[in-house]
Amino acid sequence: AQKVTQAQTEISVVEKEDVTLDCVYETRDTTYYLFWYKQPPSGELVFLIRRNSFDEQNEISGRYSWNFQKSTSSFNFTITASQVVDSAVYFCAPFASYNTDKLIFGTGTRLQVFP
Amino acid sequence: DAGITQSPRHKVTETGTPVTLRCHQTENHRYMYWYRQDPGHGLRLIHYSYGVKDTDKGEVSDGYSVSRSKTEDFLLTLESATSSQTSVYFCAINTGTGASEQYFGPGTRLTVT
Repeated sequence: AQKVTQAQTEISVVEKEDVTLDCVYETRDTTYYLFWYKQPPSGELVFLIRRNSFDEQNEISGRYSWNFQKSTSSFNFTITASQVVDSAVYFCAPFASYNTDKLIFGTGTRLQVFP
Repeated sequence: DAGITQSPRHKVTETGTPVTLRCHQTENHRYMYWYRQDPGHGLRLIHYSYGVKDTDKGEVSDGYSVSRSKTEDFLLTLESATSSQTSVYFCAINTGTGASEQYFGPGTRLTVT
């Protein structure tokens, strides 16, 4: 069965610092997908990215980047030059099943960015 | 915006009363999900649906039932609410098949006193 671990419960940084959120997953599948979601203080869940296991190239979107390493079962998320608006809980979510399209969510990492 | 609404957005109810939460989508997506979110647990899947009248259990389904009589509506029912069901409930849709993105509704905060 799939399992995901977000070992960092809470991270605090000062604005403009870079910060990396860790995600380690376990799966027996050879093909799988991984997702990241953001939950700001307002409570909604915002889709950030989906990656598949065939593509280990780093993904960059503005100040966000994702490092997917199959060899270490990690899918880490880096925010460059953090801003106060990045303060949120971030969830890593491996895809659980092709039959049901279910996601398994980690417990989340709370990021606080101070001015 | 994936066109997902949830009602009610907030509800306070007493132990033992039945409660129904509604999720409505406007884009005819096949897959719909109900999650609950509690501190320290992230989001946990309660039930999901892969079509009209086709539903199945998630990891925390005890005490909950669901129904989907129309593509656009997915109802979550607590037959007899308990304090342990105090939580924030999120509905989600999947935009396609084969690990497409899931988009979430705004959530319903339920308090059982």
